[in-house]
Amino acid sequence: QQQVKQSPQSLIVQKGGISIINCAYENTAFDYFPWYQQFPGKGPALLIAIRPDVSEKKEGRFTISFNKSAKQFSLHIMDSQPGDSATYFCAARVTSGSRLTFGEGTQLTVNP
Amino acid sequence: GAGVSQTPSNKVTEKGKYVELRCDPISGHTALYWYRQSLGQGPEFLIYFQGTGAADDSGLPNDRFFAVRPEGSVSTLKIQRTERGDSAVYLCASSSGLASPYEQYFGPGTRLTVT
Repeated sequence: QQQVKQSPQSLIVQKGGISIINCAYENTAFDYFPWYQQFPGKGPALLIAIRPDVSEKKEGRFTISFNKSAKQFSLHIMDSQPGDSATYFCAARVTSGSRLTFGEGTQLTVNP
Repeated sequence: GAGVSQTPSNKVTEKGKYVELRCDPISGHTALYWYRQSLGQGPEFLIYFQGTGAADDSGLPNDRFFAVRPEGSVSTLKIQRTERGDSAVYLCASSSGLASPYEQYFGPGTRLTVT
């Protein structure tokens, strides 16, 4: 059972544009929602994370928007740069310290 | 400080052989996780250690897979009688378990190829 669904599968954006990746979840017990960035041949790197008690979190060019009633959250990358080209994964966790459930990933390409 | 390290970075083995994959977590991190990532997919949970004990091993696909963490630091994932379907990148992550919300930090992974 896929508990976190991610879209789109791939995304092409021009330099300076906004990249938007969406995730939807089913389990209302999820209480922590991180986003990871992964470059080829590397492990996932934690980018930004949010708890369900806030609707938005911003760190630099990266923003998470969270809609608890719709069970959806999204990553916005402002002023996208070619160096942002990577695969992005959303994830969710039920209780502190337990497993992460990942989405299928979005391959982002930012053209110069 | 040093991040999560994993050895070997690549492992090629023949079907039916036994393999061991090692994970060295961030110093002081009490929680350690193993995930498996198939090509084009997100990581899938295998097992979670809190200290020396396996707190959740429900993600292990079958009894050919086993993991240990005898001293609460380094962990070894062991796969017996490997099958071609075991080919994937095996990722290890650790977290402090001391401060909310327990962010998980990943190592570079071990790419396992079963021929």
